[in-house]
Amino acid sequence: QVQLVQSGAEVKKPGASVKVSCKASGYTFTGYYMHWVRQAPGQGLEWMGWINPNSGGTNYAQKFQGWVTMTRDTSISTAYMELSRLRSDDTAVYYCARSVSSSSSMDVWGKGTTVTVSS
Amino acid sequence: QPVLTQPTSLSASPGASARFTCTLRSGINVGTYRIYWYQQKPGSLPRYLLRYKSDSDKQQGSGVPSRFSGSKDASTNAGLLLISGLQSEDEADYYCAIWYSSTNWVFGGGTKLTVL
Repeated sequence: QVQLVQSGAEVKKPGASVKVSCKASGYTFTGYYMHWVRQAPGQGLEWMGWINPNSGGTNYAQKFQGWVTMTRDTSISTAYMELSRLRSDDTAVYYCARSVSSSSSMDVWGKGTTVTVSS
Repeated sequence: QPVLTQPTSLSASPGASARFTCTLRSGINVGTYRIYWYQQKPGSLPRYLLRYKSDSDKQQGSGVPSRFSGSKDASTNAGLLLISGLQSEDEADYYCAIWYSSTNWVFGGGTKLTVL
């Protein structure tokens, strides 16, 4: 079945970087865009950007430009999201989600990766 | 002013209907956008419900019951999510979203549904 399996929880210190992975299975990895969406505790959903696994092309939300890097490894059907210069307000659950095009529905979601930023 | 505004909460009784609103910022015409709706139950990941632009341009998410439907109210510049025959399992947060300016996704702040 179609699945997105994310890496485990992370605890980081302010100023550090975190890299979250999202392994796809059950479908053709390069046939779908991969989005990253985060959710701070008790807050709503915030779109961070997407990567086109076929071309490697990316589109980041303006807020995250220069701060987030999305990559992929097609040989293992895995997408990555790296966020640098972490602050305490980056504490959130980070989700990956796929869509058939950049502007279509995010129809399958990973279970999320909790990133805690604390000194 | 946010691009998408949703009421923070909504309550309704089992068996009744619930109407969620997603109001687009002034100057952004709801008629030109597909409105996407997601459901997130406590402690769980979001789930795609449906999208609605018009009666000829709509899509139901996989496995989503037909008692979930979309609509628009042009007079208030809002997208609507309608749930009929409310069940206790419908208690969740509901988010609307649009693909804004052909560049980025924007989510509304979400509406918490209580079924009591």
